[in-house]
Amino acid sequence: EIVLTQSPGTLSLSPGERATLSCRASQSVSSSNLAWYQQRPGQAPRLLIYGASTRATGIPDRFSGSVSGTDFTLTISRLEPEDFAVFYCQQFGSSYTFGQGTKVEIK
Amino acid sequence: QVQLQESGPGLVKPSETLSLTCTVSGGSIGSYYWSWIRQPPGKGLEWIGYIYYSGSTNYNPSLKSRVTISVDTSNNQFSLKLSSVTAADTAVYYCAREVSTGNTDPYFDYWGQGTLVTVSS
Repeated sequence: EIVLTQSPGTLSLSPGERATLSCRASQSVSSSNLAWYQQRPGQAPRLLIYGASTRATGIPDRFSGSVSGTDFTLTISRLEPEDFAVFYCQQFGSSYTFGQGTKVEIK
Repeated sequence: QVQLQESGPGLVKPSETLSLTCTVSGGSIGSYYWSWIRQPPGKGLEWIGYIYYSGSTNYNPSLKSRVTISVDTSNNQFSLKLSSVTAADTAVYYCAREVSTGNTDPYFDYWGQGTLVTVSS
């Protein structure tokens, strides 16, 4: 099973700041098979990024994804009030797995 | 607009079988993969398994011995059965659509609102 380890567990930032979230895979993951989701309290997850770097329909361009080897990164260039939430990475291998999540909270 | 809605009992007794149905509206169940994903209270997401509209399945190895997912294309529904449940199976259960074709990288684009299932006597 591919384990995805997200860091940090919690990120405390102010609106307008830049957020950098990391997702490291325990073994090789095709960049095609990596997605990012945002989950606000009491809501279902929402797709942000797929294929490691492709923004989903309607997602603002302040969200971006990148990859270097087995390290995937979600960057939010300037945090808006509605961006404070939990973010999950997820891989589509033979068995799908999610990272444990990174909470972005207001500082 | 595609919508997914989970339905089923909110309370299941230990050792019994959890049964949920996801009804898809606003689109056909055909040509997509359909997954069940759960989230214990205050914790992260766990993929349970998927079914293709044709009936082929793939399950999380950690749950495989207890999971059955089926599809009813005539009613645009798919279902989850999880047997021999314990308190550790208490979670919000989501159904989700996976887009996975040769023309695009895969992703879950539509999710149900989720339904809380509590395992307790």
